[in-house]
Amino acid sequence: GDSVTQMEGPVTLSEEAFLTINCTYTATGYPSLFWYVQYPGEGLQLLLKATKADDKGSNKGFEATYRKETTSFHLEKGSVQVSDSAVYFCALNSGGSNYKLTFGKGTLLTVNP
Amino acid sequence: GAGVSQSPRYKVAKRGQDVALRCDPISGHVSLFWYQQALGQGPEFLTYFQNEAQLDKSGLPSDRFFAERPEGSVSTLKIQRTQQEDSAVYLCASSLMAGNNYEQYFGPGTRLTVT
Repeated sequence: GDSVTQMEGPVTLSEEAFLTINCTYTATGYPSLFWYVQYPGEGLQLLLKATKADDKGSNKGFEATYRKETTSFHLEKGSVQVSDSAVYFCALNSGGSNYKLTFGKGTLLTVNP
Repeated sequence: GAGVSQSPRYKVAKRGQDVALRCDPISGHVSLFWYQQALGQGPEFLTYFQNEAQLDKSGLPSDRFFAERPEGSVSTLKIQRTQQEDSAVYLCASSLMAGNNYEQYFGPGTRLTVT
């Protein structure tokens, strides 16, 4: 079945540091890939997505590239801010008839001033 | 506009009690999903509705779990004879249509604690 493996946390960085959160997946067919973010006290929000190989999703300075050859979708940001502190979830959707999401376990990011 | 709302936000139930969790999706959204998120884990799919039709209930962990969406809008997730392993956050999400071009919008969740 489908599965997502993402980097164990927690990750603690200083402001303006470079961020990478690794994500790899196993899926049938050609899934769409997503990063969701959960800020403290808030619900899950879509951060970015990519629907086919070599697509790059980007939003709020975050980027991730759909790499079919390595089955990966690593999240990167060049310079993190304190306000980026949150839990980040990698997810996939294999399509089919319902488009349910399969999530990784989440990575807690804390950015210190 | 209003997002997805869920009620109650917190629920404490004694083992063996029945609970009902409500989801109000964004108005006009055809697709509705329920997910279960255990502590320290990512959300896991429970069930999916397209309008009032429950098209996939493959993620429901046991026959104690039951979901409905009788008029194609509000949905209720019911758990009978709750067990401690049911303690989790239950998330509802809706999307305008089914498909990867349609974002799933999540509610704040209901945190269920079974004592």
